[in-house]
Amino acid sequence: DIQVTQSPSSLSASVGDRVTITCRASQDISIYLAWFQQRPGKAPKSLIYETSDLFSGVPSRFSGSRSGTDFTLTINNLQPEDFAAYYCQQYKTHPFTFGGGTRVQIK
Amino acid sequence: QVQLVESGGGLVDPGGSLRLSCSASGFTFSDYDMNWIRQAPGKGLEWVSFISKSASTIYYADSVKGRFTASRDNAKNSLYLQMSSLRADDTAIYYCARDWALDSWGQGTQVTVSS
Repeated sequence: DIQVTQSPSSLSASVGDRVTITCRASQDISIYLAWFQQRPGKAPKSLIYETSDLFSGVPSRFSGSRSGTDFTLTINNLQPEDFAAYYCQQYKTHPFTFGGGTRVQIK
Repeated sequence: QVQLVESGGGLVDPGGSLRLSCSASGFTFSDYDMNWIRQAPGKGLEWVSFISKSASTIYYADSVKGRFTASRDNAKNSLYLQMSSLRADDTAIYYCARDWALDSWGQGTQVTVSS
């Protein structure tokens, strides 16, 4: 199975900050990584697919990138509604696997 | 718009069974692979099962293999998860999600396994 290691597990930031979250896959997954946002008590919301493509309606302050098996979610100009948990997921092969999550908290 | 609505959750005794449903609307259900994902209290997301468009291919996480059965009825735009031999560690919110990149999610249904 492909392991996905997400870091950090939590971070504190202020409104207006730039935040980066990283996921490292245990083997090549090409571009097949997605990112999700989950606010407390809510279902996950899809943000990005195929490493860097934004789903419809997702603000442009969210972006994704890749370097080999390392993937990064960047949130520019952090907004109050962005304080949430974020998860990555590889879908190159089954079983699909998620990163452990990153909680973005208010500093 | 795409809508996924789960139902069927509840409180069940250890060793018991439960059948979850996911009703789809707003898209051609038979054109999409589907998944079940769960989230235990205070924990992260765990993929549970994948079922292809025609149900010809089904995969399960090792943690549920042999106990859970995924199925679908394309005529009814519905996805199902039959859960048996339930254990306390199956307690979670269960979500259905569309396609490989999980581009749409339902609101989830709570399953609690406890005596």
